[in-house]
Amino acid sequence: DADVTQTPRNRITKTGKRIMLECSQTKGHDRMYWYRQDPGLGLRLIYYSFDVKDINKGEISDGYSVSRQAQAKFSLSLESAIPNQTALYFCATQLGPGDLNSPLHFGNGTRLTVT
Amino acid sequence: AQRVTQPEKLLSVFKGAPVELKCNYSYSGSPELFWYVQYSRQRLQLLLRHISRESIKGFTADLNKGETSFHLKKPFAQEEDSAMYYCALDSNYQLIWGAGTKLIIKP
Repeated sequence: DADVTQTPRNRITKTGKRIMLECSQTKGHDRMYWYRQDPGLGLRLIYYSFDVKDINKGEISDGYSVSRQAQAKFSLSLESAIPNQTALYFCATQLGPGDLNSPLHFGNGTRLTVT
Repeated sequence: AQRVTQPEKLLSVFKGAPVELKCNYSYSGSPELFWYVQYSRQRLQLLLRHISRESIKGFTADLNKGETSFHLKKPFAQEEDSAMYYCALDSNYQLIWGAGTKLIIKP
């Protein structure tokens, strides 16, 4: 199931560099999400978008920005990467509106290391 | 504050034994709860949600509002159940996640 695709799969970058993580989906879902996962902390929401013109901050948006270029694309940017942004990043989509508790569909994740 | 707690980072049981993965939540409203699972080399995916009252792959989970729990249970574990399990709470259409429990089924 490659309906939600994240690129790159792995990335190593240096402190201060700008980096973009990309997510594209072929599921036709309106809602898209960016999460980060750190060991022992579960997933934390960075940003989410309910449609192309809607962008919302999540729990941990500081240091990140997003762009919803189209229904199918939702990019996450780190303007100036720092080491504590080293984490596993997940993109997810969700059908909406009308089915508020429909399941999230996840990408494979992007493992980002900031040195 | 809304919170989801999975007290066990790791749970190891023998094949055929009962399994219970614990999940406790803190939420002021009427909770909507989910279990997600990530098998080795697969994506994180929904296992079950409490509003559906369903059994998936032999797993069930009952919402206990008195104890604020949503434990995941299976009477007889199978080796293919080995995975990472996450409990999640819907809070204003955003999910709050537990830290996850790694379940290992020993042969």
